[in-house]
Amino acid sequence: DQQVKQNSPSLSVQEGRISILNCDYTNSMFDYFLWYKKYPAEGPTFLISISSIKDKNEDGRFTVFLNKSAKHLSLHIVPSQPGDSAVYFCAASEDQGAQKLVFGQGTRLTINP
Amino acid sequence: EPEVTQTPSHQVTQMGQEVILRCVPISNHLYFYWYRQILGQKVEFLVSFYNNEISEKSEIFDDQFSVERPDGSNFTLKIRSTKLEDSAMYFCALRGGYEQFFGPGTRLTVL
Repeated sequence: DQQVKQNSPSLSVQEGRISILNCDYTNSMFDYFLWYKKYPAEGPTFLISISSIKDKNEDGRFTVFLNKSAKHLSLHIVPSQPGDSAVYFCAASEDQGAQKLVFGQGTRLTINP
Repeated sequence: EPEVTQTPSHQVTQMGQEVILRCVPISNHLYFYWYRQILGQKVEFLVSFYNNEISEKSEIFDDQFSVERPDGSNFTLKIRSTKLEDSAMYFCALRGGYEQFFGPGTRLTVL
């Protein structure tokens, strides 16, 4: 039951370039979407979120885009920095974030100097 | 952003033993969650706790698991009789605004 999918297990990007991480979902009841960054042996760190009433949310170098008709969201990081190297998880929730988070499998992002 | 600590950071136990994992929020919160991540797999929801009651639990959260707030601040996850497959990172999360903020996790190793 993979309601949230991240189809790219890994992504390698040159420093300074744009990193684009993708996520697809199947549950139409999801109305809140989040991106987390995770280092080994640490808890997920919240990055940015978006409500289903919006199609874009920006916070500094991070922008999340939501395409509800395609049930697809993406995280753009620009410019990419070496410290961005981590595993990125997409997560979705019902009831404006009050309900459980359903996570994707994660994408390991490596930023090359 | 809410802060939360978890203790212990690493717990090693024998199969069949009981373990208690603790979550300590820095300030008062109403919504608590427990998640786990088995090595190499995705983060999975276990249980949500609102206003001192379980509001939702997953299929993983069977009779071997329980949660409580014993003293009104700490939030605990108890596994009564651990199995090998319970080995994982366990994360507590708090709700702040519309987002959930995670603690650093407890690594549980069942031998």
